[in-house]
Amino acid sequence: DTGVSQNPRHKITKRGQNVTFRCDPISEHNRLYWYRQTLGQGPEFLTYFQNEAQLEKSRLLSDRFSAERPKGSFSTLEIQRTEQGDSAMYLCASSLVGTVTNSPLHFGNGTRLTVT
Amino acid sequence: KQEVTQIPAALSVPEGENLVLNCSFTDSAIYNLQWFRQDPGKGLTSLLLIQSSQREQTSGRLNASLDKSSGRSTLYIAASQPGDSATYLCAVIGGNNRLAFGKGNQVVVIP
Repeated sequence: DTGVSQNPRHKITKRGQNVTFRCDPISEHNRLYWYRQTLGQGPEFLTYFQNEAQLEKSRLLSDRFSAERPKGSFSTLEIQRTEQGDSAMYLCASSLVGTVTNSPLHFGNGTRLTVT
Repeated sequence: KQEVTQIPAALSVPEGENLVLNCSFTDSAIYNLQWFRQDPGKGLTSLLLIQSSQREQTSGRLNASLDKSSGRSTLYIAASQPGDSATYLCAVIGGNNRLAFGKGNQVVVIP
């Protein structure tokens, strides 16, 4: 069990550029979540997957945001035409098959995005 | 919409004292409650998970209680150490399969 892995750890980009983040969940965890956290706040839900199916998206996730989990393993989160307000820590979490009521979520170390 | 509140937002205690962190939530229809620790610039580390049918969970110096009917949980950390300095986050999960987080308790343990 190597834990949830996120890459890159840090990303600095200019406003208007596209960025993509990757998350590798704990192996055999079939549920994967994306959260966003700004300074002094708790994480806010963005979206989650059950296997490769994206089951829910928050209204926080504008049209510029897209997430995929093509083979039910790793996931990517893309932000197009970045804005300064997108600057935040993007956190990924995973949990065990079908037992969200019983399984704790395990988080990665996050990707810190800075939009200049 | 589930609202999670953590009080106090920040606290400092001398080393050796017990820590008491409070969490309240507005919708008691939860599946479980989870306490996390977060160090500056890092991700979240799971500390304890309490199922809705449970009253408490213990791990080492940590003990978390849950009173679902009143929408409250308390995290106790016994004999605090400087290494316990961090932000502690409470989160609940309900029928929408999302974790709803509080803003955290920022703890400083003074040597």
